[in-house]
Amino acid sequence: NAGVTQTPKFQVLKTGQSMTLQCAQDMNHNSMYWYRQDPGMGLRLIYYSASEGTTDKGEVPNGYNVSRLNKREFSLRLESAAPSQTSVYFCASKSRGTDTQYFGPGTRLTVL
Amino acid sequence: AQSVTQPDIHITVSEGASLELRCNYSYGATPYLFWYVQSPGQGLQLLLKYFSGDTLVQGIKGFEAEFKRSQSSFNLRKPSVHWSDAAEYFCAVGAGGSGTYKYIFGTGTRLKVLA
Repeated sequence: NAGVTQTPKFQVLKTGQSMTLQCAQDMNHNSMYWYRQDPGMGLRLIYYSASEGTTDKGEVPNGYNVSRLNKREFSLRLESAAPSQTSVYFCASKSRGTDTQYFGPGTRLTVL
Repeated sequence: AQSVTQPDIHITVSEGASLELRCNYSYGATPYLFWYVQSPGQGLQLLLKYFSGDTLVQGIKGFEAEFKRSQSSFNLRKPSVHWSDAAEYFCAVGAGGSGTYKYIFGTGTRLKVLA
């Protein structure tokens, strides 16, 4: 039982490049979330998916897209990376009927 | 609007000393409250949570937190800090219904422990 896994762990991009951050959970959770963490700002919600087939914007969705591929996987895509998207990205998941989110180890992204 | 405030950005304590990290929230209904810890380079680990009932909740690693509705606070405490407690601590409130449930995080408190 690996919990929530994220790939890659580290990534460096040039401005304008695109990439997809992958997240998978093996806990049969319904809800999944993407956050970004920046110094002094805590974690801010980018997008979330309450259940398979649904996605909704969070606090800071601009510049990102998401896909809930199936119940296990929730990907985050940067179509044209900008230096302002340099951050640590965390994926989380939650089971229906509970209120606790479980977090992955994070992806550290640098955009030059 | 819902919000979480952690007024202390950095706290330094000596090993063996007691610790209290402050968290204040703004939320219209009865909140679900959480404390998470993040060690350097790691993800977030749940320390404890409050949903209802006893306002003093016990967590892992010897931490506890007390929910005070009148003060809109959920402060984290530990009687004797260990060097391994050096980390960043986040308070969060769970908001929304079953289809829109999400966390609102505070900005975090970084704890330094002096030997």
